[in-house]
Amino acid sequence: GEDVEQSLFLSVREGDSSVINCTYTDSSSTYLYWYKQEPGAGLQLLTYIFSNMDMKQDQRLTVLLNKKDKHLSLRIADTQTGDSAIYFCAESRNAGKSTFGDGTTLTVKP
Amino acid sequence: GAGVSQSPSNKVTEKGKDVELRCDPISGHTALYWYRQSLGQGLEFLIYFQGNSAPDKSGLPSDRFSAERTGGSVSTLTIQRTQQEDSAVYLCASSSGLAGTGEQFFGPGTRLTVL
Repeated sequence: GEDVEQSLFLSVREGDSSVINCTYTDSSSTYLYWYKQEPGAGLQLLTYIFSNMDMKQDQRLTVLLNKKDKHLSLRIADTQTGDSAIYFCAESRNAGKSTFGDGTTLTVKP
Repeated sequence: GAGVSQSPSNKVTEKGKDVELRCDPISGHTALYWYRQSLGQGLEFLIYFQGNSAPDKSGLPSDRFSAERTGGSVSTLTIQRTQQEDSAVYLCASSSGLAGTGEQFFGPGTRLTVL
């Protein structure tokens, strides 16, 4: 079945850029998502990219998609302590059921 | 409130008891999901309802787990004869389904503790 993998932990200094990587197996994925989960809360969509795009930028967030390698990344510029959270990569085919990765815990040190 | 709500927010129960967890999705959302998240772990998919289609139950861990969605709206997740390993946060999400981008809107979760 479909699989989404991401590294479990990332630690950066405040003001640096953070890059969170994700790989997926379903070549028919049409939407790829990044969700953020803050402590004690549910997940919230940060951004998504359609599979026919290779980049999407939204303020401090840049999403890169390499469809050939099935690799997705999320770059957070000028990372702040408030960005500390768990970031989940997910994919879906035609906006149906999504498959989530296990989440990357981002720790931002002052 | 326009978001997904879940109740109760916390539930403590004794091993062997049955529990019911409730999810109120966003009005008009045709898709509803249940997930389980253990401490420090990722999301474990449990069940997916899409419109009037038969639910995708492929993630339910045992026959002690069941879920219903009445009238295409509210959903109840039932765990019978709870075990300590059922302790986790149960998250519900809804989406506008195949007509949208598949974005899921999550509730705050129910934290279940089985003693």
